[in-house]
Amino acid sequence: AQKVTQAQTEISVVEKEDVTLDCVYETRDTTYYLFWYKQPPSGELVFLIRRNSFDEQNEISGRYSWNFQKSTSSFNFTITASQVVDSAVYFCALSSLQGAQKLVFGQGTRLTINP
Amino acid sequence: NAGVTQTPKFRILKIGQSMTLQCAQDMNHNYMYWYRQDPGMGLKLIYYSVGAGITDKGEVPNGYNVSRSTTEDFPLRLELAAPSQTSVYFCASSGTGTAFEKLFFGSGTQLSVL
Repeated sequence: AQKVTQAQTEISVVEKEDVTLDCVYETRDTTYYLFWYKQPPSGELVFLIRRNSFDEQNEISGRYSWNFQKSTSSFNFTITASQVVDSAVYFCALSSLQGAQKLVFGQGTRLTINP
Repeated sequence: NAGVTQTPKFRILKIGQSMTLQCAQDMNHNYMYWYRQDPGMGLKLIYYSVGAGITDKGEVPNGYNVSRSTTEDFPLRLELAAPSQTSVYFCASSGTGTAFEKLFFGSGTQLSVL
């Protein structure tokens, strides 16, 4: 069975601090995809990034960066110089090659950036 | 751009009542999904559809029904509401349904069953 664990339920930091959200996954599939979604206070989930299991290169997009390590089954998300607008619930999710995409979500991490 | 539209945004039901959560997308996506989000939990798949007339169960289908008569619409029906169905419901869609494709989500329906 596939499983995604986000052990950090809530994180609170002061603006401009760096923060890392952890994601650990379990799957027996050799081909799979990992995702991060952001859920701002408005409620709608917004796609941030996806990674396939064959691409372990880290990715950076502005203040956001992602570290994918197959050896530890982790796909961590770091926000550099956090801002109040980063406050949201962040979900890590996993899918594998099946007939239709069936995402398995982690429990989510509620991130609060205090001014 | 409307994307995925869900109605209503909030609803309170009494135990045993029924209701339909509406979902519509204007991106001509074949794949549509219903998820529920319980407090402190990730989203769990209720039902999904790969095209008009074709639906299938997800992880937590009990107590729900769906239909897909058009590409655009994917309503979720609760026949006999129970307190365990108190949750936030999200509808989502994707174009091809492949594993690497991102989902587009609606803004959610917050449902309370009392």
